[in-house]
Amino acid sequence: TQLLEQSPQFLSIQEGENLTVYCNSSSVFSSLQWYRQEPGEGPVLLVTVVTGGEVKKLKRLTFQFGDARKDSSLHITAAQPGDTGLYLCAGVQGAQKLVFGQGTRLTINP
Amino acid sequence: EAGVTQFPSHSVIEKGQTVTLRCDPISGHDNLYWYRRVMGKEIKFLLHFVKESKQDESGMPNNRFLAERTGGTYSTLKVQPAELEDSGVYFCASSQAGTGPLGYTFGSGTRLTVV
Repeated sequence: TQLLEQSPQFLSIQEGENLTVYCNSSSVFSSLQWYRQEPGEGPVLLVTVVTGGEVKKLKRLTFQFGDARKDSSLHITAAQPGDTGLYLCAGVQGAQKLVFGQGTRLTINP
Repeated sequence: EAGVTQFPSHSVIEKGQTVTLRCDPISGHDNLYWYRRVMGKEIKFLLHFVKESKQDESGMPNNRFLAERTGGTYSTLKVQPAELEDSGVYFCASSQAGTGPLGYTFGSGTRLTVV
């Protein structure tokens, strides 16, 4: 079974600061996804990265897929309280199922 | 369009009882998946339906769990008899044929507590 190690598990920072969340594996994934989950809701897909070295931007969020397709990062610039939530990385295993990391619970303090 | 609907949203049952969770996927989505998150652990895959057929049930923990998708529409996940370690949040997701995880939409989940 492929495992994804996500770090940090908890992160609390002040509004306006930058942060990076990491997702690492010893295995190669065909693609990797980042989700955000709010309390009482299911995960919502933010982005899918497919190509090694790929970088995708979503407003203040930058997602990168490692060259070897074993790791990924999520960087948030100038964090805002609205960014607070649980962020999950998930690797695509086979063609249909996801392997999730444990998640990073992010708190942005005003 | 309506999203993936799961009910109940919460269920508290005693050890040894039976519970049935239901998932209504987005209309027209052939793929339906069940995942669960137990306390302190990551979300884990349980099984995958394509229409009414089980495509992959490699994540089902044991034979106390039975998933069905009669007619290829909604799905049920029955736990019988429930054990304490079955407590967690059970998520359902659906996607269109040919999209797989690229087109996943998750439901809000059912929080199951076994006491």
